[in-house]
Amino acid sequence: GQQVMQIPQYQHVQEGEDFTTYCNSSTTLSNIQWYKQRPGGHPVFLIQLVKSGEVKKQKRLTFQFGEAKKNSSLHITATQTTDVGTYFCAGDRGNQFYFGTGTSLTVIP
Amino acid sequence: NAGVTQTPKFQVLKTGQSMTLQCAQDMNHNSMYWYRQDPGMGLRLIYYSASEGTTDKGEVPNGYNVSRLNKREFSLRLESAAPSQTSVYFCASSERAGKHAVSFGTQYFGPGTRLLVL
Repeated sequence: GQQVMQIPQYQHVQEGEDFTTYCNSSTTLSNIQWYKQRPGGHPVFLIQLVKSGEVKKQKRLTFQFGEAKKNSSLHITATQTTDVGTYFCAGDRGNQFYFGTGTSLTVIP
Repeated sequence: NAGVTQTPKFQVLKTGQSMTLQCAQDMNHNSMYWYRQDPGMGLRLIYYSASEGTTDKGEVPNGYNVSRLNKREFSLRLESAAPSQTSVYFCASSERAGKHAVSFGTQYFGPGTRLLVL
């Protein structure tokens, strides 16, 4: 079954509103990565978190890795139309690498 | 630098036909990967090659074979295509892949191949 789930699957927000996607793994991950995929494009790496409880920021984006290393979140403050796309978390466990199911973000101008 | 390139961009096959998807990277990365992407399922790892000369199964290897031709190239072969293999296929590369290691590393993706099996 699916190892890494993300919620919500879809999110529509007005431009300027905040957005959060949550990533949950059934097992402990060594680390978590986040990728963004624009419509019709390919995934592009955003960031990697390794430590339990780690928080990293990239301008309006805030990434967190849970204390148990089984969940993570991405929060975007004051969304812009350039934030449109699907956001994926991904992590490795042993010899396998799992992508989350993704959250598709639509920003309404 | 072109990064990761994939050919073809689109392909239509009939059930039972075979084909090979090609992937090449010019970043001198050790590790390469093949994923398939289906709606609502995210990306699922088919096979990966941690280094030249090695290949390992991912989450969904059945129905596929791979060849790490050299450090630059990693191909994916469908011997007898089935409608369930209709998908978008992405190749990726990274400096390293986890094998009892901490991380699979930042992955750089190619533009994808859209495959339809009728």
